[in-house]
Amino acid sequence: EAGVAQSPRYKIIEKRQSVAFWCNPISGHATLYWYQQILGQGPKLLIQFQNNGVVDDSQLPKDRFSAERLKGVDSTLKIQPAKLEDSAVYLCASSLVSGEAYEQYFGPGTRLTVT
Amino acid sequence: AQKITQTQPGMFVQEKEAVTLDCTYDTSDPSYGLFWYKQPSSGEMIFLIYQGSYDQQNATEGRYSLNFQKARKSANLVISASQLGDSAMYFCAMRDVLITQGGSEKLVFGKGTKLTVNP
Repeated sequence: EAGVAQSPRYKIIEKRQSVAFWCNPISGHATLYWYQQILGQGPKLLIQFQNNGVVDDSQLPKDRFSAERLKGVDSTLKIQPAKLEDSAVYLCASSLVSGEAYEQYFGPGTRLTVT
Repeated sequence: AQKITQTQPGMFVQEKEAVTLDCTYDTSDPSYGLFWYKQPSSGEMIFLIYQGSYDQQNATEGRYSLNFQKARKSANLVISASQLGDSAMYFCAMRDVLITQGGSEKLVFGKGTKLTVNP
């Protein structure tokens, strides 16, 4: 079974530029999550999708971040314009269903450096 | 809201010895779940073990076991017979269910513990 795929693995941009990350979850997984992991901290949820609907985006900085999950499969997270504090690893995760002990499977992450 | 505390920024252990990584949590929910994830330098979060709040026995998965003390609100990870490949960041996490947001279920993570296994 293929894992969660993410691209690119690394990205370096200047502040005020835009950037987009792509995630393809495990086949059949209805729930998709985007987390932001700043150096030295644990991941923090940015947005959760259930199929192609948003369940939770309460911690997404909506003035600059956007995300979509078309057709309930792969997803794109965009930052426009980027700030220095957006430097972090962006992790995508998926789970079969929400609830109980269903663990989330994580992708390798995209390491973003904003200069 | 749930909160996870990991007080050990770094831990060192000799190969083949056991090590305990500490995790305490805070929640007002009667039903909750606790997870441990491993994050090697490659960056991927790898699920290790899960403990439900109503589980009667401590969870075990191979060399990993969870020392769950409900009254103390602690869920420490025990790694037996450490291997060099165990060197990584380890994160404790709790499932946070937000009923008001249509059942959002996110993981709330601690800051992690960096484990180094010495040969």
